[in-house]
Amino acid sequence: NFMLTQPHSVSESPGKTLTISCTRSSGSIASSYVQWYQQRPGSSPTTVIYEDNQIASGVPDRFSGSIDSSSNSASLTISGLKTEDEADYYCQSYDNTSWFFGGGTKLTVL
Amino acid sequence: QVQLQESGPGLVKPSDTLSLTCLVSGGSITSYYWSWIRQPPGKGLEWIGYIYYTGSTRYNPSLKGRVTFSLDRSRNQFSLNLTSVTPADTAVYYCARGPNYDILTSYYSEFDYWGQGALVTVSS
Repeated sequence: NFMLTQPHSVSESPGKTLTISCTRSSGSIASSYVQWYQQRPGSSPTTVIYEDNQIASGVPDRFSGSIDSSSNSASLTISGLKTEDEADYYCQSYDNTSWFFGGGTKLTVL
Repeated sequence: QVQLQESGPGLVKPSDTLSLTCLVSGGSITSYYWSWIRQPPGKGLEWIGYIYYTGSTRYNPSLKGRVTFSLDRSRNQFSLNLTSVTPADTAVYYCARGPNYDILTSYYSEFDYWGQGALVTVSS
């Protein structure tokens, strides 16, 4: 078992670039794929990034994902922030026992 | 376009069994993993488990044997049973396709299609 730790909330101005981190508590971040999901209020989650850095279909290329083995973390970067990017973002990965989600990060674009 | 739709009672009494069904349309249940994921009000996502189209299952150990999945290929649907529920099981329950499996890398990937979610409240 492991935990994925995300900041509870982040905020930034429109047009800026922002990065959300997701730190794995044990085991290597590179040992399994990391996904990122966006969830708007009242809606189901949708994939923005899959397999660490692949952009899901229909997602603008302002979104990008990466992993960093030195910090054992994954990152979601959103450039050229728009108000429509306001949502909760969840990272997700797995080990040989279970699938895990981070606690979620509330993004405010103001 | 694959679509998933959850159905089942919205209110369950404590100690009873929570039962939900997910109908898959626009695609076959064959060759994929199918999961249940839940989200308590105002909180994050929790993976409950998956069932493969062959019927094999894997469950979240935290649910301590209370959960059972089944699958009906003829109806293109799969189901969740959660026994001995308490108010802590109150959540929006999502069915989802996945985790997708990459044969080349032997890695699992995303949950790519989700239902709209079904709110289940556990209360007397």
